[in-house]
Amino acid sequence: NAGVTQTPKFRVLKTGQSMTLLCAQDMNHEYMYWYRQDPGMGLRLIHYSVGEGTTAKGEVPDGYNVSRLKKQNFLLGLESAAPSQTSVYFCASRAHLNYGYTFGSGTRLTVV
Amino acid sequence: RKEVEQDPGPFNVPEGATVAFNCTYSNSASQSFFWYRQDCRKEPKLLMSVYSSGNEDGRFTAQLNRASQYISLLIRDSKLSDSATYLCVVNSNTGKLIFGQGTTLQVKP
Repeated sequence: NAGVTQTPKFRVLKTGQSMTLLCAQDMNHEYMYWYRQDPGMGLRLIHYSVGEGTTAKGEVPDGYNVSRLKKQNFLLGLESAAPSQTSVYFCASRAHLNYGYTFGSGTRLTVV
Repeated sequence: RKEVEQDPGPFNVPEGATVAFNCTYSNSASQSFFWYRQDCRKEPKLLMSVYSSGNEDGRFTAQLNRASQYISLLIRDSKLSDSATYLCVVNSNTGKLIFGQGTTLQVKP
């Protein structure tokens, strides 16, 4: 099993460009999450989904959009990238609300 | 007050030492608890769940004190490979995991 796969692993964007980060899981998990991690800030929740077709805002949703059209995929979009969005982005999933997460290996995004 | 608080360290210990990390959480309704390990520039990985009765996995022991809203992780006989950041994680009553900022451990030869 691949677990949770994130693409791309690295990306450099210019301010104002857009991009989509893809998270795919093959574990049939209902719940999926997008986090960002910045030095000294810990993991902060951007958006999450409790099932196919659902999305909800997390702690820091501004500047991001998400979609969960298929159960196995959770997409994170940046419509107009800003330098403040330079970060490491982690996707995670879990099967049940009492379980821990399985994380993807992360996407390192730099906005210049 | 942060929902999950940890001493950020760093904890610098010699190989073979015993080291303990502590964590407090603010939501008394939290039902499940975890310790994650994160290596530099890598994703967090589940180290162990934390049960009310306490649980052990090899050199690692986790304890939960619900009355004091306190979680601990004890590492015995530290190895160089234990050097990492350890994240205390609490399941919120909204169904999301809340992560502490992590405690950094450096084990030295």
